Amino acid sequence: AQSVTQLDSHVSVSEGTPVLLRCNYSSSYSPSLFWYVQHPNKGLQLLLKYTSAATLVKGINGFEAEFKKSETSFHLTKPSAHMSDAAEYFCVVNPVIMNTGFQKLVFGTGTRLLVSP
Amino acid sequence: SQTIHQWPATLVQPVGSPLSLECTVEGTSNPNLYWYRQAAGRGLQLLFYSIGIDQISSEVPQNLSASRPQDRQFILSSKKLLLSDSGFYLCAWSPPRDRGPYEQYFGPGTRLTVT
Repeated sequence: AQSVTQLDSHVSVSEGTPVLLRCNYSSSYSPSLFWYVQHPNKGLQLLLKYTSAATLVKGINGFEAEFKKSETSFHLTKPSAHMSDAAEYFCVVNPVIMNTGFQKLVFGTGTRLLVSP
Repeated sequence: SQTIHQWPATLVQPVGSPLSLECTVEGTSNPNLYWYRQAAGRGLQLLFYSIGIDQISSEVPQNLSASRPQDRQFILSSKKLLLSDSGFYLCAWSPPRDRGPYEQYFGPGTRLTVT
């Protein structure tokens, strides 16, 4: 079965330092992978997506992620954290696209990013 | 561009009362629609999905139901709320299969508290 594992439930950084949020996936074939961000009491916003094109994916707000098939990883990075980056981040895999058009997403458990001044 | 709306934004309801949450998508046609619930401190749970009018599937058996009266409108309902129905309800949409890509776009959510 397809799954995603977010290796850290909480990550704390100082403003201006790099951010690394780790995600490993399990899939029997090449999946589509996504990172979403959720600020408190808000919906999920798509940060970036990997759909078998370039392995280094650039997203919004300076985030990027690299798809590494050999390591089954899709880690999210940002060179310099900003206070507004403090939020919950979800790694998501879309392994199943059925003939009916239904696309079931598999969500990681989330990583809470804390940014201190 | 496409936008997705949910209302109400917050709701406090007593146990045993009915529920109706509404989701509307603009700027696209024939979207796939989804209802998720996010309980405090837990991940997202897919409740219902719909690939067209009158085509709704349930992922988890419970006292909730969903309907799609129009192409871009998705309703989540309950006849009698339980305490365990409290949570953050998110509606999402994705393009039909033949349009791709397959990411989902989420609405702003409804915070439901059952007292």
